[in-house]
Amino acid sequence: DSGVTQTPKHLITATGQRVTLRCSPRSGDLSVYWYQQSLDQGLQFLIQYYNGEERAKGNILERFSAQQFPDLHSELNLSSLELGDSALYFCASSVGFESYEQYFGPGTRLTVT
Amino acid sequence: AQKVTQAQTEISVVEKEDVTLDCVYETRDTTYYLFWYKQPPSGELVFLIRRNSFDEQNEISGRYSWNFQKSTSSFNFTITASQVVDSAVYFCALTYGRAGNMLTFGGGTRLMVKP
Repeated sequence: DSGVTQTPKHLITATGQRVTLRCSPRSGDLSVYWYQQSLDQGLQFLIQYYNGEERAKGNILERFSAQQFPDLHSELNLSSLELGDSALYFCASSVGFESYEQYFGPGTRLTVT
Repeated sequence: AQKVTQAQTEISVVEKEDVTLDCVYETRDTTYYLFWYKQPPSGELVFLIRRNSFDEQNEISGRYSWNFQKSTSSFNFTITASQVVDSAVYFCALTYGRAGNMLTFGGGTRLMVKP
């Protein structure tokens, strides 16, 4: 158990809908990251927050947004969902914002039908 | 551009065999960090090791060992006396100084250890 929690574990929704994925980092970690794992794209970095502020952005679609709250938990919002958004979404956390090992949560499996 | 290549998509071995998973990386930065993660069938990603670009010492942890060679831009992972529980997908990843901490992952190598 990495100490990073993600809810829900599974999510099934229809195209065009909006969902929110939630992540709580390990105790003491200030950085939160979101990654997407799909069969065709592999594991891709989406976005990083450090202590409430956005630090780095990867291949995140405009339909996706994230935030980190004062209690350091983070939410990833996915809107106008398409079939291609079906994937495993991971949250990870680390102590700092540079080069520390990242500990991953169990992931949220999103299925868009 | 940063890139991580794991040329072996799938490896199958019999229990107790040694197996090496290859990882080749590309980066223009002189300061970078390399990682290995394990993804067992249950799906979570488990951190195995982090190595910085200034530390070329090989590392051994139990049956696991890692060989970092800057001259060939490789960071290979060897499992000695493999066990069925080692069956998983293994990912090599890279991050570099200016990227904050975003990880660039290789495509992964699926290791199947048969009894």
